[in-house]
Amino acid sequence: AIQLTQSPSSLSASVGDRVTITCRASQGISSALAWYQQKPGKAPKLLIYDASSLESGVPSRFSGSGSGTDFTLTISSLQPEDFATYYCQQFNNYPLTFGGGTKVEIK
Amino acid sequence: EVQLVESGGGLVQPGGSLRLSCAASGFTFSSYAMHWVRQAPGKGLEYVSAISSNGGSTYYANSVKGRFTISRDNSKNTLYLQMGSLRAEDMAVYYCARVLQGAAAYDYWGQGTLVTVSS
Repeated sequence: AIQLTQSPSSLSASVGDRVTITCRASQGISSALAWYQQKPGKAPKLLIYDASSLESGVPSRFSGSGSGTDFTLTISSLQPEDFATYYCQQFNNYPLTFGGGTKVEIK
Repeated sequence: EVQLVESGGGLVQPGGSLRLSCAASGFTFSSYAMHWVRQAPGKGLEYVSAISSNGGSTYYANSVKGRFTISRDNSKNTLYLQMGSLRAEDMAVYYCARVLQGAAAYDYWGQGTLVTVSS
């Protein structure tokens, strides 16, 4: 199975900060990668699909980039509602896999 | 409005069985692949199983292969997950999710149903 390694596993940031989360695949997955946001007790919410396409209704401060094995989720200016856990997921090969998650906390 | 509503979770003994359902509404269910994803308490997300739009293709995580069966009834707009030989490590919130057409992602998720495996 393809392993997805997210880093960091957690981070502390302030409102207005630029935040970058990385996701590295153990083998090439083209652009078949999604990013989700999850808040406690809630289902995940899709942010980015196909590595860099912004899901409808998601604020433009979220962006995704990368292809092959290295991917990045960037939040250009962190807002209070963005404090959550973020996951990447690969769709290139079954079994599908998720990264371990990145918890974004308030500094 | 797209809605996915899971049901069927609960307490089951190790070795027991349970069937989860996911009732879909607000879209043409028969046109979409559907998946199950789970999340153990305090842990990350784990893909469980997938089924194509017509039910002709199914896929499983290695951890559930041979014990779980995914199916769907497009006439009832319902997705199922039959779980057997349940283990403590199967305890989790189980989500059904719709696959975004032509793209790599889940665009809609249910609210989840909790499966507790304990004696």
